[in-house]
Amino acid sequence: GESVGLHLPTLSVQEGDNSIINCAYSNSASDYFIWYKQESGKGPQFIIDIRSNMDKRQGQRVTVLLNKTVKHLSLQIAATQPGDSAVYFCAEMATSGTYKYIFGTGTRLKVLA
Amino acid sequence: DAGVTQSPTHLIKTRGQQVTLRCSPKSGHDTVSWYQQALGQGPQFIFQYYEEEERQRGNFPDRFSGHQFPNYSSELNVNALLLGDSALYLCASSLAGSGRVYQPQHFGDGTRLSIL
Repeated sequence: GESVGLHLPTLSVQEGDNSIINCAYSNSASDYFIWYKQESGKGPQFIIDIRSNMDKRQGQRVTVLLNKTVKHLSLQIAATQPGDSAVYFCAEMATSGTYKYIFGTGTRLKVLA
Repeated sequence: DAGVTQSPTHLIKTRGQQVTLRCSPKSGHDTVSWYQQALGQGPQFIFQYYEEEERQRGNFPDRFSGHQFPNYSSELNVNALLLGDSALYLCASSLAGSGRVYQPQHFGDGTRLSIL
């Protein structure tokens, strides 16, 4: 089924520490995964993506890990900065036969000074 | 390079009215998807338009309809508005075609619709 989630979990991290945001996806047929960052009053902003034929992908200060066995995705942010404070969503897509993204519940990241 | 633009940014309507929201895709993109985001939740897929046709639809009633124009811009129409339609409506664009399925959708900042 689709993940709708009514409660937004919060992760509080000290500035300069690393953050790990987790996501459990719902469809075993999903083969494309994307992390988005959404700041207050803004639309989701693309951070990083990964295909199911990979288990790790790195960007600038971010790393996405994919564990297909347990249908788990994580986003690691290195040296977290105040500007990283936002809500983070994972999205999944089964590229065969569908064009829609299914979004996870979302996690609010608070960076403490 | 212009990103996805949506208008208006905010809108207040009353129950029973109808509304039209507009979206211009990112330059070079030809596919537009619409999502509804209720407060504190992730976006929910409404439908996607490609080549001026609705290509896929999510679990939304027929009161939600759309259109895509030859210049790839799109409109979302909602009839007989209900209080529960209050949400942020997001437009996302992407580029279709073989070999491009693994490219992310890019979102606009949305239209905040409030129903009184």
